[in-house]
Amino acid sequence: AQSVTQPDIHITVSEGASLELRCNYSYGATPYLFWYVQSPGQGLQLLLKYFSGDTLVQGIKGFEAEFKRSQSSFNLRKPSVHWSDAAEYFCAVGPLSGGYNKLIFGAGTRLAVHP
Amino acid sequence: NAGVTQTPKFQVLKTGQSMTLQCAQDMNHNSMYWYRQDPGMGLRLIYYSASEGTTDKGEVPNGYNVSRLNKREFSLRLESAAPSQTSVYFCASLGVGLAVSYEQYFGPGTRLTVT
Repeated sequence: AQSVTQPDIHITVSEGASLELRCNYSYGATPYLFWYVQSPGQGLQLLLKYFSGDTLVQGIKGFEAEFKRSQSSFNLRKPSVHWSDAAEYFCAVGPLSGGYNKLIFGAGTRLAVHP
Repeated sequence: NAGVTQTPKFQVLKTGQSMTLQCAQDMNHNSMYWYRQDPGMGLRLIYYSASEGTTDKGEVPNGYNVSRLNKREFSLRLESAAPSQTSVYFCASLGVGLAVSYEQYFGPGTRLTVT
């Protein structure tokens, strides 16, 4: 069955430090992969997505992610975290086999940033 | 251009009461979705509508009904609310011409409490 695992529920980093959020997926075919961010009390905003081609993708707000097929991973990175990056981050995979434009989301990683 | 809007933002219901959550998008999108978000579980798909006039069940449809009123509007109805339906509900839409990107746009959410 298709699934998405985000192993870290909470992560705390210092402002200016680098960040890596992990995402592992289980999917039968070549996946479409997404990272979304949710600020407190807000909806979800797309950070970046991977469909094919270059396995390192750039997104908004200085984020990037690398698709590693051999490890079934799509980890999100940022070289220097800002206090405004404190939010919850969701990895998602789609489409489902036999489905239509449906996504499976991971449980999320909540990021706290210390000054 | 307001994107995806949801009403109400907050709602408290007693067990057994009914209500309808409203969602509208002004981006001329074909597909619309309803998710619920619970702590530690990410987003789970309740129902979706691939196009005007069609609806289909997602991962957790029990206790809910939906109506795709027209291309803009997609409502979610709780006929007899239960405490297990306490959650944050998100509506999303997917654009015409963006079908190959599967990028969903999210509303700000409705926080529902059932006592």
